[in-house]
Amino acid sequence: EAQVTQNPRYLITVTGKKLTVTCSQNMNHEYMSWYRQDPGLGLRQIYYSMNVEVTDKGDVPEGYKVSRKEKRNFPLILESPSPNQTSLYFCASSFSIGEKLFFGSGTQLSVL
Amino acid sequence: AQSVAQPEDQVNVAEGNPLTVKCTYSVSGNPYLFWYVQYPNRGLQFLLKYITGDNLVKGSYGFEAEFNKSQTSFHLKKPSALVSDSALYFCAVRDAGANNLFFGTGTRLTVIP
Repeated sequence: EAQVTQNPRYLITVTGKKLTVTCSQNMNHEYMSWYRQDPGLGLRQIYYSMNVEVTDKGDVPEGYKVSRKEKRNFPLILESPSPNQTSLYFCASSFSIGEKLFFGSGTQLSVL
Repeated sequence: AQSVAQPEDQVNVAEGNPLTVKCTYSVSGNPYLFWYVQYPNRGLQFLLKYITGDNLVKGSYGFEAEFNKSQTSFHLKKPSALVSDSALYFCAVRDAGANNLFFGTGTRLTVIP
């Protein structure tokens, strides 16, 4: 089944403790992206990747890192999480930037 | 710079009535326009897109959207609403030549039985 898989689904952590949210797609997509969803703000793009080893900042990249060493994986790294990073995070992928996005099920992150 | 506005946070419609969810956009070049739907505890799902061609775009689940260049709008429509259409709807825009997609703040649609 074609899908984007994110893990974990729920995560509660404390300020400053490094964490990684994994994202994997099995559709051989070139384009991958991370978004955060906050009430009243909609989805805001954190980082995106046009292909392996090619990443770029979105609208809200501060406090986040990404890597794209393999085509299928695009992990989101929070080196030192803070409470303002409490949010619902979505990974998405597509064949190319102009094509429809396939979204993961989301990761609800709470930073205490 | 690109931007998209969904002026209504909430839209209520009776089952069987037509529905419209509004979206306006701003881009410097030609727009790529999308609608996505989010059901509770789920990721977003693609409904339809406009790149070029016919201004009326048909999508999944009986939805359609009309591209209006002069009004810079891309409203989502359905002739007869179902209770199962109740969800959060997002409009998104990409400026041709840009590498990112910009989402609106979302409109919660409630279809009343």
